[in-house]
Amino acid sequence: AQSVTQLGSHVSVSEGALVLLRCNYSSSVPPYLFWYVQYPNQGLQLLLKYTTGATLVKGINGFEAEFKKSETSFHLTKPSAHMSDAAEYFCAVSEGAAGNKLTFGGGTRVLVKP
Amino acid sequence: EAEVAQSPRYKITEKSQAVAFWCDPISGHATLYWYRQILGQGPELLVQFQDESVVDDSQLPKDRFSAERLKGVDSTLKIQPAELGDSAMYLCASSLSGNNEKLFFGSGTQLSVL
Repeated sequence: AQSVTQLGSHVSVSEGALVLLRCNYSSSVPPYLFWYVQYPNQGLQLLLKYTTGATLVKGINGFEAEFKKSETSFHLTKPSAHMSDAAEYFCAVSEGAAGNKLTFGGGTRVLVKP
Repeated sequence: EAEVAQSPRYKITEKSQAVAFWCDPISGHATLYWYRQILGQGPELLVQFQDESVVDDSQLPKDRFSAERLKGVDSTLKIQPAELGDSAMYLCASSLSGNNEKLFFGSGTQLSVL
């Protein structure tokens, strides 16, 4: 079975500071990995995804994530936080091929301080 | 940009009553998902449709929950009778081909059971 662990349910960063959200996964087959963002009163939006190939993945709004197989991690980073980055972020895993369901982590809520 | 429509946005009901949620996916999306998101947790898949057929309902509490997508377009999720523990956000999502690579989420229905 697949699972996702997000370390830290809440993260507070200053505007302009590095954003680092941690995600570790378990999967019995090569995983597909995703980060979704949920703004208040909205549905989830895809930030970025890793399927195969390059392990450093760039997404929307300046976010990127690196797949590290040896560490079973897929941490999300952004060099400089903006007030508009305040939201909840979810890491998710599916077991590779098409049609497999997504399993989400518990989420990390990001607060950006001016 | 096309969106996944859900209604109602909020629903308050008493335990033992019946409730129903509606979802209209993005036009042309063959795959439709219902997720439940309990406060402080990530979304959990309840049921997945491919056109009008259920492909995964392993996490759906079938004694009280039912879901249908009769014409392979919009979908209804029903709970009867509602219990206090059903209080959660119910999210609908759709994708073009069911490959889980990109899901488009609606804004959800927030259910409160009193």
